[in-house]
Amino acid sequence: AQSVSQHNHHVILSEAASLELGCNYSYGGTVNLFWYVQYPGQHLQLLLKYFSGDPLVKGIKGFEAEFIKSKFSFNLRKPSVQWSDTAEYFCAVNAYSSNTGKLIFGQGTTLQVKP
Amino acid sequence: GAGVSQSPSNKVTEKGKDVELRCDPISGHTALYWYRQRLGQGLEFLIYFQGNSAPDKSGLPSDRFSAERTGESVSTLTIQRTQQEDSAVYLCASSLVGTGGLSGYEQYFGPGTRLTVT
Repeated sequence: AQSVSQHNHHVILSEAASLELGCNYSYGGTVNLFWYVQYPGQHLQLLLKYFSGDPLVKGIKGFEAEFIKSKFSFNLRKPSVQWSDTAEYFCAVNAYSSNTGKLIFGQGTTLQVKP
Repeated sequence: GAGVSQSPSNKVTEKGKDVELRCDPISGHTALYWYRQRLGQGLEFLIYFQGNSAPDKSGLPSDRFSAERTGESVSTLTIQRTQQEDSAVYLCASSLVGTGGLSGYEQYFGPGTRLTVT
């Protein structure tokens, strides 16, 4: 069965620090990959997505993620975090061959940015 | 335009009672998904609708859970004889199309219904 693993459950950073959140998935076929973010009191929203092409994808608010097929990874990065990046971050995978768009989510990473 | 809406936002119920949760997807979105998020965990897929048919119900945890959808509109998730382990946030999402692959879809999430079973 497909699964998604996020290695960091809770990350605390100071403003201007660099961020990297790990995400690994288990599925041998082609996948679509997503990072979703949930800011305090808000809905889940899409941060960025990878379907095909350039494995380095850029999303909103200066976030980017790199798909490394050989490592089954899709790590999220930001060079300099801000206090407003405090949120919960979820990595999600959809199997290309699936006849549904269902997403398999990781357990989430809570990011706390100290001002 | 209007996003995905869900009602109620909070529901407290006694063990053994039935509950109905409602989702209004974005107009024109043919695909609709239900997910569940237990405390401290990621989202678990429950069921997927394409139009008013449900080609993937693989995530429903037991036969106490059922869902239906009217056309390409409202969906209701029903939990019968609720148990304490059903306590969770139930999230609904919709997307323009539902298939995997290069269809370029994105799932838009609602605010969720927090269900507490006492």
